[in-house]
Amino acid sequence: QQQVKQSPQSLIVQKGGIPIINCAYENTAFDYFPWYQQFPGKGPALLIAIRPDVSEKKEGRFTISFNKSAKQFSLHIMDSQPGDSATYFCAASRASGTYKYIFGTGTRLKVLA
Amino acid sequence: GAVVSQHPSWVICKSGTSVKIECRSLDFQATTMFWYRQFPKQSLMLMATSNEGSKATYEQGVEKDKFLINHASLTLSTLTVTSAHPEDSSFYICSARDFGLYNSPLHFGNGTRLTVT
Repeated sequence: QQQVKQSPQSLIVQKGGIPIINCAYENTAFDYFPWYQQFPGKGPALLIAIRPDVSEKKEGRFTISFNKSAKQFSLHIMDSQPGDSATYFCAASRASGTYKYIFGTGTRLKVLA
Repeated sequence: GAVVSQHPSWVICKSGTSVKIECRSLDFQATTMFWYRQFPKQSLMLMATSNEGSKATYEQGVEKDKFLINHASLTLSTLTVTSAHPEDSSFYICSARDFGLYNSPLHFGNGTRLTVT
């Protein structure tokens, strides 16, 4: 019940394409779903996050789609650029308290110039 | 936004020695910090939850005597890898949330690359 399943493991797109990364969770107590971007040799950086009371959230070129009934959420990167090449992690947690984050296994994205 | 500073960014040590890694929350108080370990091309593995003024909570399979955690103040947590061996070589990352702020996300330090020779 604690797992967050992330797919695909790796993804290659052309510049301008729209990579989509999917995550699924099991624990219905989760109410906070962030996405992190990690470049080699660096710590993960928060990209965007969503609560289950909305079905979509956009910040710049990044969009999270959330399907509460299916317990799934996904990250879309619009007009992807070579600088977006990184590893992306989804996570699930609770917004309040000291509850730990459960991370997905990561998706290595490469955007070709 | 919240900033978490981690030091050193990399360290090389000899087998059998101990290494201390510091994690500081720069603009907020962190009663709880988290320590992760990451192997190449893998996800983040939570090692322990560091609680200010009390003992850390270790995840299953993590040796508490090997990875000593001290959270002596609201802005500083340290991880000491004791009697390090080559298999302890990894990327260690700390993180913290501003629990005084509702809905505050988890912020990560930039990690410490430990190489044990």
